Amino acid sequence: DQQVKQNSPSLSVQEGRISILNCDYTNSMFDYFLWYKKYPAEGPTFLISISSIKDKNEDGRFTVFLNKSAKHLSLHIVPSQPGDSAVYFCAASETNTGKLIFGQGTTLQVKP
Amino acid sequence: NAGVTQTPKFQVLKTGQSMTLQCAQDMNHEYMSWYRQDPGMGLRLIHYSVGAGITDQGEVPNGYNVSRSTTEDFPLRLLSAAPSQTSVYFCASSYSPSNNEQFFGPGTRLTVL
Repeated sequence: DQQVKQNSPSLSVQEGRISILNCDYTNSMFDYFLWYKKYPAEGPTFLISISSIKDKNEDGRFTVFLNKSAKHLSLHIVPSQPGDSAVYFCAASETNTGKLIFGQGTTLQVKP
Repeated sequence: NAGVTQTPKFQVLKTGQSMTLQCAQDMNHEYMSWYRQDPGMGLRLIHYSVGAGITDQGEVPNGYNVSRSTTEDFPLRLLSAAPSQTSVYFCASSYSPSNNEQFFGPGTRLTVL
């Protein structure tokens, strides 16, 4: 059973516009959420995170929103740049277990 | 710091062969984990360790063994390789289980014929 789901396999946006990547989860015990970025032939790299006690976290062009009642989080990238083209993974964890569970990933293409 | 290193980068095995994927980190991280990445499946947790001498199973542990005798190393063993284990394997580490900003290695691409 997939506890973290990214239902959009791919997303294409124009340079300068907003990219919105979505993620849903089912485990109400998750208390920390993260987004990772992955380029081909490289390992994932950490992008931004949010604790379950917050509903928004911002870091430069990247903002993560958390809606606990809907068990939904989203990553906003504004403005999108061609270098943002990559696979984005959503991940969730229960602090007391230490396990980090990933979604399937969304491939973002930012067109010049 | 070299960060998280993985060897080999590529490997081809025949069904039934065994091998060990190596993972090492030089950041003195307590928490280490192994993932496999398959198309459409994302990253799935195989095994993880919260410190030397302590390991536990993740989402897809069958067919894999791990041990953690030192803080630095966390090898992943395939005892009898199967074609279903063809995948890209990533090792990761972080300061603690509660700090999940994990650092990933570059991956090992494994093909089982």
